[in-house]
Amino acid sequence: DIQMTQSPASLSASLGETVTIECLASEDIYDILAWYQQKPGKSPQLLIYDASSLHTGVPSRFSGSGSGTQYSLKINSLQPEDFASYYCQNGLSAPLTFGSGTKLEIK
Amino acid sequence: QVQLKETGPDLVQLTQTLSITCTVSGFSLTTYNVHWVRQPPGKGLEWMGAMWNGGGTDYNSAFKSRLSISRDTSKSQVFLKMNSLQTDDTAKYFCARSAVQPHYFDYWGQGVMVTVSS
Repeated sequence: DIQMTQSPASLSASLGETVTIECLASEDIYDILAWYQQKPGKSPQLLIYDASSLHTGVPSRFSGSGSGTQYSLKINSLQPEDFASYYCQNGLSAPLTFGSGTKLEIK
Repeated sequence: QVQLKETGPDLVQLTQTLSITCTVSGFSLTTYNVHWVRQPPGKGLEWMGAMWNGGGTDYNSAFKSRLSISRDTSKSQVFLKMNSLQTDDTAKYFCARSAVQPHYFDYWGQGVMVTVSS
């Protein structure tokens, strides 16, 4: 099984700041990686797929990068609605593992 | 438009069987995959298994011995059945859609919160 190691587990930042979340796969996943945002009590929402492609309707302040086993999600100029939890996900093959999540909080 | 909706019990007794139905609309179960993902309170997301568009299934080995996923294409429904429930099965259970490949979850249901009670 492909393990997804996500860091940090939590992050405190101010409005307008830029933050980066990392995800490390235990083997090459050939950019078949997604990022999701989840707000309390809500379902996860797809943000980025294929490591760097923005899903429909996602603001351009979100960006994804990486290749092979190392991937990152960057959020520029944090807005109030961005404070949420974020998860990476291996979309290559079952079992479709998620990272453990990053909770982004307002400083 | 695309929708998924889970229906199931709020409360299940210890060692009993959980049954949840995911009813979909706006797409065909023969064109897209449907997955089950769960989330214990305050914790992360865990993929449980999938009903592939062709009718096959795949399971997370953590559940393999007690989890079953099936479907009724005529009713646009996918079913989750898991037996021998324990207190650590208390979680919100989601169904989600993915394309045939790759497996990204582009639409999710609102989830059903299931508590396992002793």
